[in-house]
Amino acid sequence: QQQVKQSPQSLIVQKGGISIINCAYENTAFDYFPWYQQFPGKGPALLIAIRPDVSEKKEGRFTISFNKSAKQFSLHIMDSQPGDSATYFCAASSMVAYKYIFGTGTRLKVLA
Amino acid sequence: DAMVIQNPRYQVTQFGKPVTLSCSQTLNHNVMYWYQQKSSQAPKLLFHYYDKDFNNEADTPDNFQSRRPNTSFCFLDIRSPGLGDAAMYLCATSRGGSGDTLDTDTQYFGPGTRLTVL
Repeated sequence: QQQVKQSPQSLIVQKGGISIINCAYENTAFDYFPWYQQFPGKGPALLIAIRPDVSEKKEGRFTISFNKSAKQFSLHIMDSQPGDSATYFCAASSMVAYKYIFGTGTRLKVLA
Repeated sequence: DAMVIQNPRYQVTQFGKPVTLSCSQTLNHNVMYWYQQKSSQAPKLLFHYYDKDFNNEADTPDNFQSRRPNTSFCFLDIRSPGLGDAAMYLCATSRGGSGDTLDTDTQYFGPGTRLTVL
């Protein structure tokens, strides 16, 4: 019940296309859902995050879509660029736990 | 300006030789975390501190210890590194506390320390 399932494991997108990464969770106590971007040899960097009281959040080219009833959330990267090529992790946490449960990661490659 | 600083960025040690990794933060956050990340895997939480309260994950080996002497600093001690401990070690912080703002739960990661065990 503590798992966060992330898919796909890897993704190849043409420049200018839309990249979509999906995550699903079981624990209804989760109330915070961030997405992180990680380049090789670097620490993860927060991209965007959402709480379950909203169904969508957009920041620039990055959008989180959240479906509370289905217990799913996804990251959409619009107009994908080669510089977006990285590994993306979703995570979930509950306010009382102060801990993330990470998804397994998606390696994105955007072709020029 | 760097907010979560890890030193050193690269550490080479010998099998069985104790090593200490350090993390400092300028965010004045209550919570500090240590993660282990191996190639192509998600970060794995080893333990975290909420202020001075230490919280160990059930599957963290006894070989890994941590100290938090003050709000700003946290150390990871590996008492007898094995070849399987070679990994990236990530420190992170979060504000913690009550409140429903996004910032309460957001974890900010440092650049990591790459540990090599010979």
